[in-house]
Amino acid sequence: DAKTTQPPSMDCAEGRAANLPCNHSTISGNEYVYWYRQIHSQGPQYIIHGLKNNETNEMASLIITEDRKSSTLILPHATLRDTAVYYCIVRAQGAQKLVFGQGTRLTINP
Amino acid sequence: NAGVTQTPKFQVLKTGQSMTLQCAQDMNHEYMSWYRQDPGMGLRLIHYSVGAGITDQGEVPNGYNVSRSTTEDFPLRLLSAAPSQTSVYFCASSSPRGGGYNEQFFGPGTRLTVL
Repeated sequence: DAKTTQPPSMDCAEGRAANLPCNHSTISGNEYVYWYRQIHSQGPQYIIHGLKNNETNEMASLIITEDRKSSTLILPHATLRDTAVYYCIVRAQGAQKLVFGQGTRLTINP
Repeated sequence: NAGVTQTPKFQVLKTGQSMTLQCAQDMNHEYMSWYRQDPGMGLRLIHYSVGAGITDQGEVPNGYNVSRSTTEDFPLRLLSAAPSQTSVYFCASSSPRGGGYNEQFFGPGTRLTVL
């Protein structure tokens, strides 16, 4: 699986959009980009995934660059409950494993 | 649905003791896995299973055994606990959709301390 690079920490004001970047320059054609988050030592929670098109669900939006070498997770109106560690993971279709890096610790400030 | 459940929530062991961490899911998921998370680190895969009777090693399998006799249960056994196994253990499950394994559901974790 391709390696991902994320900033170790970010801050965002409550009510604003939180934009979390992820670099995955060695991603190959059959690999998806997944985002999970972990709130205060709970089990990780799935947020969203995509291949090459932008994706949106009730939690977030995922923007993938045209060359697929980077992506951005967008939380449109961040709340204090969005404070968590966010993991960007690249995984091939059909692969069994999730390989977690260090993630980005996002702090939402009131 | 209860989702993924893990027992116990907390456990303290002495070096050399053995124990089994329990994991169960009621979503009829084929794929189950065990991860460990050390302080300040991401999760690392210990063992996984793609169905009853089938298990395989992950990134850090040494010191752990697993079996999958039913679809619902995937216990993790520590044969002889060591302080290096002090960690938080997460179990996860998922079901294939569209040819891939998409969303994984995680349990609440078991916090293990080995003295």
